[in-house]
Amino acid sequence: NAGVMQNPRHLVRRRGQEARLRCSPMKGHSHVYWYRQLPEEGLKFMVYLQKENIIDESGMPKERFSAEFPKEGPSILRIQQVVRGDSAAYFCASSPRQEAGNTIYFGEGSWLTVV
Amino acid sequence: GENVEQHPSTLSVQEGDSAVIKCTYSDSASNYFPWYKQELGKGPQLIIDIRSNVGEKKDQRIAVTLNKTAKHFSLHITETQPEDSAVYFCAAATNDYKLSFGAGTTVTVRA
Repeated sequence: NAGVMQNPRHLVRRRGQEARLRCSPMKGHSHVYWYRQLPEEGLKFMVYLQKENIIDESGMPKERFSAEFPKEGPSILRIQQVVRGDSAAYFCASSPRQEAGNTIYFGEGSWLTVV
Repeated sequence: GENVEQHPSTLSVQEGDSAVIKCTYSDSASNYFPWYKQELGKGPQLIIDIRSNVGEKKDQRIAVTLNKTAKHFSLHITETQPEDSAVYFCAAATNDYKLSFGAGTTVTVRA
């Protein structure tokens, strides 16, 4: 019974390159959430997606960041033209549906280092 | 938006003693309060949660209390063990997915 799967676990990018982080939700889960954790801080909400829909992107930076959850395949968080300040752990979470009483489950994270 | 404050930032306890972590929140509409344990290099793991219609919840050595009037909630770990050493985060939300996290408490259990 696999949990939320994220890859890559670690990613190093030079400034100006693109980073793509992938997330496969738990089996049976159709709701995906992305959070970012800066060093020595708590997690911060970025975006909530269902299949082919962005439901809430209120935590996403206005530029360079985008997320998708296509009909087939994993959810992808894409960061264009990375800068040093993008270095962080990016966590994906999933839930079976969005209603009161549901618990969201986090993956093991993708650690992005921008050099 | 919601602002969650967590104290203390570090906590060292002797094995077998209790550990208490306290959080306050700002949005009176928040109704979901989970606690997560995060070990180095891993994702947050839900250890217990409480909803606003309940004042206290217990699961073996872990308990959480909620005071909605004062807008604060606490995590209590009794009979601490070395494997309880980790970073603990509280969170608050008005729904179940847009969690606002505290800054974390690094708990060290001394053998």
